[in-house]
Amino acid sequence: GESVGLHLPTLSVQEGDNSIINCAYSNSASDYFIWYKQESGKGPQFIIDIRSNMDKRQGQRVTVLLNKTVKHLSLQIAATQPGDSAVYFCAEVGQDAGNMLTFGGGTRLMVKP
Amino acid sequence: EAGVAQSPRYKIIEKRQSVAFWCNPISGHATLYWYQQILGQGPKLLIQFQNNGVVDDSQLPKDRFSAERLKGVDSTLKIQPAKLEDSAVYLCASSLLVHSGVIFFGQGTRLTVV
Repeated sequence: GESVGLHLPTLSVQEGDNSIINCAYSNSASDYFIWYKQESGKGPQFIIDIRSNMDKRQGQRVTVLLNKTVKHLSLQIAATQPGDSAVYFCAEVGQDAGNMLTFGGGTRLMVKP
Repeated sequence: EAGVAQSPRYKIIEKRQSVAFWCNPISGHATLYWYQQILGQGPKLLIQFQNNGVVDDSQLPKDRFSAERLKGVDSTLKIQPAKLEDSAVYLCASSLLVHSGVIFFGQGTRLTVV
């Protein structure tokens, strides 16, 4: 079946550097994508979203890029801080999946001091 | 604003026993979700309620799992009998809209079946 997936399970970056977390999706009918952050012992927390009619959206220190041609989603975190250490999930919503939110497998971001 | 409340935080049971989890969503959120998150994986939707009606339960193992939201506010998820593979974190979440990507999660209940 179609699913949301991630390229790398673990990403280690130096504090202050920029982080890029990637996600590949296979459901071309998905029209809405969301990034969630999950810290240890907590539930996922919404970070930023993007609709399929956009290719870029910026938030505070975070930017999401969407490339529909290659079905690729990325989350960029500027000036990564120790508090950014967490598991990041991309998720998608598609009309053909009953508009249900489907999560990928996650990438663990580790920030080195 | 209070978040999604779940209890208990942790539960250890033997296989074939039963267990129940409780969730109170954010006030005013009509949509409530139960997700199962196995270690190292993303959350998987088990059931979604809109008020006290079920929107989707296609991935709920109905032979052993049940959920209810009788008054359209808080909800319980039950497993009976539990299997070893049910060991996971059970996350409750809520949202204002029925088809929303922006949902608010509770801290979850970590279930260990031994």
